[in-house]
Amino acid sequence: KAGVTQTPRYLIKTRGQQVTLSCSPISGHRSVSWYQQTPGQGLQFLFEYFSETQRNKGNFPGRFSGRQFSNSRSEMNVSTLELGDSALYLCASSSGTSGATDTQYFGPGTRLTVL
Amino acid sequence: AQSVTQPDIHITVSEGASLELRCNYSYGATPYLFWYVQSPGQGLQLLLKYFSGDTLVQGIKGFEAEFKRSQSSFNLRKPSVHWSDAAEYFCAVAPGTNDYKLSFGAGTTVTVRA
Repeated sequence: KAGVTQTPRYLIKTRGQQVTLSCSPISGHRSVSWYQQTPGQGLQFLFEYFSETQRNKGNFPGRFSGRQFSNSRSEMNVSTLELGDSALYLCASSSGTSGATDTQYFGPGTRLTVL
Repeated sequence: AQSVTQPDIHITVSEGASLELRCNYSYGATPYLFWYVQSPGQGLQLLLKYFSGDTLVQGIKGFEAEFKRSQSSFNLRKPSVHWSDAAEYFCAVAPGTNDYKLSFGAGTTVTVRA
């Protein structure tokens, strides 16, 4: 069974631009969560999608948005990039049906650098 | 406020020695508890998880963790470390039954010396 895939793996953008990151979950999984990892703030939850609906949301500004498609693939978008958005963005997939007892499987991440 | 604390930022251990990583949480009720490992350039891999029942849980790669309610702790242990255990380890909690939001500790970096 293929794991969670994230594209692209590396991305360089400049301030003010926008970026879209993609996550393909494990086949059969319907929940996708996104996390931001930085040296200063650690791992922080962005949002979680299940069956194309956002179920949970973290404390990030509205510049961070996401969506999920009918095939469970998810994208997250960051508009008006700031230097502080430089981070490793991780997505995690799970079945989405067993709550907190679900195992979340993480992808390798997308490394975003904002110049 | 709800929080997860990993007191040790960095631990160095000799190959073959035992390892213990500390994790303390602050939540109103017993949360769902997890340990993840992240190797350089990789995503997170689940080592083990605790929801209820036996307070000593076994995970992959020879790791185990013990939940102690009285100490609000969920410490990770391995009796004999291998060089491949060098990585960053994260304790995480999910506060509620239907909550997919994981809150992570700051992580502990483990260095293994020969």
